[in-house]
Amino acid sequence: AQSVTQPDIHITVSEGASLELRCNYSYGATPYLFWYVQSPGQGLQLLLKYFSGDTLVQGIKGFEAEFKRSQSSFNLRKPSVHWSDAAEYFCAVGGRTGNQFYFGTGTSLTVIP
Amino acid sequence: NAGVTQTPKFRILKIGQSMTLQCTQDMNHNYMYWYRQDPGMGLKLIYYSVGAGITDKGEVPNGYNVSRSTTEDFPLRLELAAPSQTSVYFCASETGRQNTEAFFGQGTRLTVV
Repeated sequence: AQSVTQPDIHITVSEGASLELRCNYSYGATPYLFWYVQSPGQGLQLLLKYFSGDTLVQGIKGFEAEFKRSQSSFNLRKPSVHWSDAAEYFCAVGGRTGNQFYFGTGTSLTVIP
Repeated sequence: NAGVTQTPKFRILKIGQSMTLQCTQDMNHNYMYWYRQDPGMGLKLIYYSVGAGITDKGEVPNGYNVSRSTTEDFPLRLELAAPSQTSVYFCASETGRQNTEAFFGQGTRLTVV
C-alpha cells in the first residue's frame, strides 16, 4: 500500500539551529517526492521536489532534501532555521500527477528565539 | 498572475444545507484537484479532473460532486452538508506534464453545525 509517514508531529528548534524533518514512504513504483510548507491560513507552497537524478535536492528558502532509496526516506534539512520558517511541513509521494499523491500527516515546526 | 483562487475563504453551513466551493485557475492547467485537510491528517483527494468535461473520484468522494465545464473552473458541490464535512478544502492544479508540480489555492475553511 502507498503511504507516507512523518514520525514527528511537532518539533521545536531555536533560531539559528539546524533542522531535519523526517519522511518515510511506501510506494510501489519509482516515486516522485515532494516537500510542501503551509503557513497559518495559507495554502501549500512547494519547497522542493525529486523526480530523478541527483539524490540531494535543493529547494527554496535554503531547504534541501536527500532521497535515500535504501531507507525509503526523503528527509528535509536546513542548516540554520529562521523565525519565519515556523509552519506546517508536509511530505508527499506520488506518481506523475496529483491524483496519485499521498500526503503525510505533517510536522508542525516552532522556532524559539 | 493570480494562480489558483478559491472562494469563499470561510463558511458556516447548517446540517442539510448545500453550497458550492469555487475554484478557478489562470495557468491553463489541464489537471485540477480537490483535497480536504482534517486536523492531524494529511490531505485526502476528493475528486480530480484531467481536462474539461472529465472528472473522476479520489479517495474520499462521498457527499461531494464536481463538474469541469471549462479549463479554468472546477467547482466542488456539497448537496446535504454533514458535520463530517467540517474541514479545510484545498483546490490545486497542474499541467499534467511530467516533472511538474501542483499549485494550491489558499483554502476554504468550512464548518457544518
